[in-house]
Amino acid sequence: GENVEQHPSTLSVQEGDSAVIKCTYSDSASNYFPWYKQELGKRPQLIIDIRSNVGEKKDQRIAVTLNKTAKHFSLHITETQPEDSAVYFCAASSSNAGGTSYGKLTFGQGTILTVHP
Amino acid sequence: KAGVTQTPRYLIKTRGQQVTLSCSPISGHRSVSWYQQTPGQGLQFLFEYFSETQRNKGNFPGRFSGRQFSNSRSEMNVSTLELGDSALYLCASSPRDSTSSYEQYFGPGTRLTVT
Repeated sequence: GENVEQHPSTLSVQEGDSAVIKCTYSDSASNYFPWYKQELGKRPQLIIDIRSNVGEKKDQRIAVTLNKTAKHFSLHITETQPEDSAVYFCAASSSNAGGTSYGKLTFGQGTILTVHP
Repeated sequence: KAGVTQTPRYLIKTRGQQVTLSCSPISGHRSVSWYQQTPGQGLQFLFEYFSETQRNKGNFPGRFSGRQFSNSRSEMNVSTLELGDSALYLCASSPRDSTSSYEQYFGPGTRLTVT
């Protein structure tokens, strides 16, 4: 089955710096890669996603890049702010045996991002 | 639109008991997936339901089961609870009505504690 590795496990930056979180996946059939932000005691929140037919996607201060050949994708946060502090999860979507559903998300282990004022 | 809701939010059970958790997806969403979140194992996929049919299943024992109703609401059941079942159980709904819609939106979760 799919396996997703996420690095680093913790990341500490100063306000205004950039933060980069990287993930690798194992299943070449995966074609959807979302990123979630989870604040303490709250639900995971979808912040950005990318599909395998696109190499890069940007939304204001957040961007995601995908390298299908190397099977890795990354989250880039620019001009970080204290409110960006949270746990970030990457995920990859793989299909069921019949190829009719991509509803199974396999998650990385998470990155604790701390932005210091 | 109202978000994904889950009930109950907190639950304490004893080993050997069973438990049923409920999830109401976003209006119009037909797919519901369930995940278990623990500090040690992270977020792990349990199963996905679409139009009352289980379409995908994770690597959990048969004690974990689920179902979906015609209004897309979903329940998951855990029988013969073990201490290791203590976790946050999250459901996520998706507008998926084909293989082209992938976004999943999470509910607040049910915190299950097994003693």
